[in-house]
Amino acid sequence: GNSVTQMEGPVTLSEEAFLTINCTYTATGYPSLFWYVQYPGEGLQLLLKATKADDKGSNKGFEATYRKETTSFHLEKGSVQVSDSAVYFCALSDSDNDMRFGAGTRLTVKP
Amino acid sequence: NAGVTQTPKFRILKIGQSMTLQCTQDMNHNYMYWYRQDPGMGLKLIYYSVGAGITDKGEVPNGYNVSRSTTEDFPLRLELAAPSQTSVYFCASSFPGLAGVLEFFGPGTRLTVL
Repeated sequence: GNSVTQMEGPVTLSEEAFLTINCTYTATGYPSLFWYVQYPGEGLQLLLKATKADDKGSNKGFEATYRKETTSFHLEKGSVQVSDSAVYFCALSDSDNDMRFGAGTRLTVKP
Repeated sequence: NAGVTQTPKFRILKIGQSMTLQCTQDMNHNYMYWYRQDPGMGLKLIYYSVGAGITDKGEVPNGYNVSRSTTEDFPLRLELAAPSQTSVYFCASSFPGLAGVLEFFGPGTRLTVL
């Protein structure tokens, strides 16, 4: 079945550092890929998405590229801020009712 | 629009008690979902609904029941609470299509079963 594996956390960075959170997937078809962010005490928010190979999703300075050859969708940001501290989830879906989430990576950004 | 709302925010149950988690959305979305999130884990789908009167099981449905009598509401019922059901529960909704892009999540209900 479909599954997502993302790097274990926690990740601790200083403000303005470069962020990479790795995500790889296993899927039988051609899924859409997503990154969600969860701030403390809140529900998940869709951060960005990509629906086909080589698509780049971007939002709020974050970006991720759908790499079919390496089955990856790594999240990157060039300069993180304290306000980016949250848990980040990679997810995939190939149907309306089969979204699979990774375990989440907690990011802490220190001033 | 209020988006997706969930009640209660917190609840403590004793083993064997029952309760209903409420979920309401005001965006006229056809699709609604219930997920649970265990510590250090991703979300797992419990039940989903593609429209009023239609529900189906997700990955982890045992111990839960749902109903969908209106487009707006999708309550989740726990009949005999067990410690394994201690978790944070999220409701979500979406329009159909584009591989179920889940853009709208509720704030969650934190449930503890003792």
